[in-house]
Amino acid sequence: KAGVTQTPRYLIKTRGQQVTLSCSPISGHRSVSWYQQTPGQGLQFLFEYFSETQRNKGNFPGRFSGRQFSNSRSEMNVSTLELGDSALYLCASRPITGVETQYFGPGTRLLVL
Amino acid sequence: GENVEQHPSTLSVQEGDSAVIKCTYSDSASNYFPWYKQELGKRPQLIIDIRSNVGEKKDQRIAVTLNKTAKHFSLHITETQPEDSAVYFCAASKAGTASKLTFGTGTRLQVTL
Repeated sequence: KAGVTQTPRYLIKTRGQQVTLSCSPISGHRSVSWYQQTPGQGLQFLFEYFSETQRNKGNFPGRFSGRQFSNSRSEMNVSTLELGDSALYLCASRPITGVETQYFGPGTRLLVL
Repeated sequence: GENVEQHPSTLSVQEGDSAVIKCTYSDSASNYFPWYKQELGKRPQLIIDIRSNVGEKKDQRIAVTLNKTAKHFSLHITETQPEDSAVYFCAASKAGTASKLTFGTGTRLQVTL
């Protein structure tokens, strides 16, 4: 099976703009989670989507949002970008409830200038 | 919320030696503990995981031990090889929120010849 894919891989934006990142999970996986990775804060959970519904949410401001489509693909949106949003955004997928193992995508590296 | 502490932050060993990385967690409800390896510029890859109903798990040169009473778990790598050089992250999650992983701060392992 193909692994988790994310697009775009690299992105440069300016403060105040918004950005949308995309994640395609492994075929058959219905849960998609998003994480932010920075040198200072490490890996932090943003949110999880399962069957098009947000199931869990981390401690991030409302500028961070997401959605999931019927084919399990997920998008993450960040509005009104701040310099501190510069990070590697990783998504991870897992098959079904009760199976904990998550597989990560390669990430989207976002630079906010 | 859950807090995961990881030590050491850096670890240098000679090829063939063993490496041990330790993590402690704060939430006694946590029941799933994966370890991820992240090479420079690459995605985190699951190398081993353990559930709270098991005290130890081995996979070739890698083993994980869990002490629920002390709320700590450890990664053991034996016969280290240069390709083991990477950043290793421990993580924890609770039942019902398996995707909501709380990560440790990472250990940079360097295996020298």
